[in-house]
Amino acid sequence: ETGVTQSPTHLIKTRGQQVTLRCSSQSGHNTVSWYQQALGQGPQFIFQYYREEENGRGNFPPRFSGLQFPNYSSELNVNALELDDSALYLCASSLAGEDGYTFGSGTRLTVV
Amino acid sequence: QKEVEQDPGPLSVPEGAIVSLNCTYSNSAFQYFMWYRQYSRKGPELLMYTYSSGNKEDGRFTAQVDKSSKYISLFIRDSQPSDSATYLCAMGMTGGFKTIFGAGTRLFVKA
Repeated sequence: ETGVTQSPTHLIKTRGQQVTLRCSSQSGHNTVSWYQQALGQGPQFIFQYYREEENGRGNFPPRFSGLQFPNYSSELNVNALELDDSALYLCASSLAGEDGYTFGSGTRLTVV
Repeated sequence: QKEVEQDPGPLSVPEGAIVSLNCTYSNSAFQYFMWYRQYSRKGPELLMYTYSSGNKEDGRFTAQVDKSSKYISLFIRDSQPSDSATYLCAMGMTGGFKTIFGAGTRLFVKA
């Protein structure tokens, strides 16, 4: 299997709820990064996982958390959803030591 | 001040025109520079990347980096309607864990 796969593609949640987004990495890639892209903005770094450990984190609160599994797939969890969390959430996989990403098509999250 | 500044456009050009897209940055520690293309409802796709000042060419695309001025550019020759997309500049430090993206420039190429 090639490419990065994200699920679901669209999601609507109510403020205060919790959400889990999923990502399958490109074959051979061992590093997963998550980005948040608000409408009309560039992607903003949330965190990166390597060998099932968080490898670095951007300016996002602790209610944004993640997991990486032994097969390099990953989850992004967001608790206590706020209206401003409405955005496109992008998963990007890469090979450790290389700088280019392969992005998935994203999950469009709407919080109402 | 944002670390990476990019004019959001939109930029509208006729088919066949040469397109110039630009970004400025403030962090002199950035070591790699990339351009991504993002079509509507899709994730970004890596187009070009470079680690040094100067030009790098790939088909109709040329990436230019001027580290002394903290300025990067992407040129698209013989632009096509299929080039209509949002172009994101991106940069970071080798061995670092995050890439910083510009806001993206929306490009429309009219047939």
